[in-house]
Amino acid sequence: EPEVTQTPSHQVTQMGQEVILRCVPISNHLYFYWYRQILGQKVEFLVSFYNNEISEKSEIFDDQFSVERPDGSNFTLKIRSTKLEDSAMYFCASSAASGLIQETQYFGPGTRLLVL
Amino acid sequence: SQQGEEDPQALSIQEGENATMNCSYKTSINNLQWYRQNSGRGLVHLILIRSNEREKHSGRLRVTLDTSKKSSSLLITASRAADTASYFCATDVDYKLSFGAGTTVTVRA
Repeated sequence: EPEVTQTPSHQVTQMGQEVILRCVPISNHLYFYWYRQILGQKVEFLVSFYNNEISEKSEIFDDQFSVERPDGSNFTLKIRSTKLEDSAMYFCASSAASGLIQETQYFGPGTRLLVL
Repeated sequence: SQQGEEDPQALSIQEGENATMNCSYKTSINNLQWYRQNSGRGLVHLILIRSNEREKHSGRLRVTLDTSKKSSSLLITASRAADTASYFCATDVDYKLSFGAGTTVTVRA
């Protein structure tokens, strides 16, 4: 069964460093998402991406964050200058979303980011 | 906010018993999705119910949706130890999911 994959599974970085989290969505999917879950808290929406541009973003997704689909398979989340409060599990998701049909969002296993 | 909120926060049951958890939300939705998360792991999609549906089944799972009350329930029948996990409802508005805090289910052998 197709699945969303994410690398790395764990990332430790120093405050102020740039990190890039990588995701390979399910191949025929059109919509891509990033969510995060701070330890012990709810899963929060960060951004959605469709047709090579951001379709929606949350207040969390400030100028320190960017997303990119550099090729036909990868979808990346970049944090330019990490802060301690960026420590969280970051989930990538994808969905097919054809026309007006609402579709399931399939999540990857997550990348646990720890900022020291 | 249109976040789903689950109730109860935690549930402990004996293997073989049924587990029921509820989700309430605040605004109109496209659909509502239930996910499972094992401790520290990823989110596994369980079931999606659209706003024009009232009930849906998938294996041992039964989901109901009452849009007039803005609530949904997830029933797991004949629970197993492997069902031990956190369960989240997520409301979908314009392809953006809002998650609740989850119900932690412990199934005792």
